[in-house]
Amino acid sequence: KNEVEQSPQNLTAQEGEFITINCSYSVGISALHWLQQHPGGGIVSLFMLSSGKKKHGRLIATINIQEKHSSLHITASHPRDSAVYICAVGRFGNEKLTFGTGTRLTIIP
Amino acid sequence: ETGVTQTPRHLVMGMTNKKSLKCEQHLGHNAMYWYKQSAKKPLELMFVYSLEERVENNSVPSRFSPECPNSSHLFLHLHTLQPEDSALYLCASSQMVAGGTDTQYFGPGTRLTVL
Repeated sequence: KNEVEQSPQNLTAQEGEFITINCSYSVGISALHWLQQHPGGGIVSLFMLSSGKKKHGRLIATINIQEKHSSLHITASHPRDSAVYICAVGRFGNEKLTFGTGTRLTIIP
Repeated sequence: ETGVTQTPRHLVMGMTNKKSLKCEQHLGHNAMYWYKQSAKKPLELMFVYSLEERVENNSVPSRFSPECPNSSHLFLHLHTLQPEDSALYLCASSQMVAGGTDTQYFGPGTRLTVL
């Protein structure tokens, strides 16, 4: 079993729909990261959080430390949101991140 | 512009060739990383350099040889690769903070094909 599990693996939705991607982890962490990877490979860091909730534009990330669970929400989804969304966790005193396998999101116009 | 550049963006090489991948970060960070991304697999950490010292080597075969001459530059030297080494190789940088690492910033990657 991977230390970081994401669900769903693939998600297709209509433009405008509210999107939720989930991440569960099994280890103690210092922070959780959400990353976005577009076709072609480039990865962009969306959020780094260790508690509560963060919001940036139409993106919202939440984390529940007790339940070892995080969600990434996209409101009013748009075709340009189509990408792979990756969850990663960092440990205290460690430079390494452990990555989930990613969720491939496709938004249909 | 992410502040992390990689060259080349695409590379095709034979199994007997020697080539190098280059990464440069313009963010003033003190840690740099090499990752391998194969199809349908999570990102795999290969090497970490912190303050120009290698602090992580994830059982990577010796045909991959990293070099970090200064805090802004990172190289991955390749020799006698195998076809299964074909993948996207991503460089990242971050600032080491108390308790771990801050956000990692990724380069665009080098798509490597080994024939």
